[in-house]
Amino acid sequence: DAKTTQPPSMDCAEGRAANLPCNHSTISGNEYVYWYRQIHSQGPQYIIHGLKNNETNEMASLIITEDRKSSTLILPHATLRDTAVYYCIVRVPGGATNKLIFGTGTLLAVQP
Amino acid sequence: GAVVSQHPSRVICKSGTSVKIECRSLDFQATTMFWYRQFPKQSLMLMATSNEGSKATYEQGVEKDKFLINHASLTLSTLTVTSAHPEDSSFYICSAYKQGMNTEAFFGQGTRLTVV
Repeated sequence: DAKTTQPPSMDCAEGRAANLPCNHSTISGNEYVYWYRQIHSQGPQYIIHGLKNNETNEMASLIITEDRKSSTLILPHATLRDTAVYYCIVRVPGGATNKLIFGTGTLLAVQP
Repeated sequence: GAVVSQHPSRVICKSGTSVKIECRSLDFQATTMFWYRQFPKQSLMLMATSNEGSKATYEQGVEKDKFLINHASLTLSTLTVTSAHPEDSSFYICSAYKQGMNTEAFFGQGTRLTVV
């Protein structure tokens, strides 16, 4: 799996949009971008994934640049409950190993 | 979404004893499950891949004789920490994909192991 780079931490005001960047400059053509988050002392939670088109679901939006070398996860109206570590991972779905390798992630602190 | 459940959520054991952690997929079948370990303020580290009906595949540096993994059915994988020591104290997390659908992984709530 290709490596990703994320800022170690970010702050966001409650009610505002949180934009979390991720660089994946070595991503290969068949690798998807996945986002998970981990609230303190819980297991990770899937958020969203995409290949090259922007994606949106009830939790977040995923914006992938045209060259696919970076992406941004957007939480449109952050709440205190969104405080968590957010992990950006690139992988091939159904790949030979199916392993999810976690990097260091971004600690998002939503401030009241 | 699919549910993965771990048991126990917390366990305290004495040094030298063994502890078993269960990981169950409650509403789907999983031929493969994954075990992670997480130390405080660190990311998740993949320990091993648990394969139903066959031997687990361990990541480099993980002792297979210390961390015994059994995946006896399509809904249950167990991790046994043998001869536990204080340095094994950690947060252990399992995950699984729905059989035939490898798009998103579902994670258990984690097990906090404290070895005293």
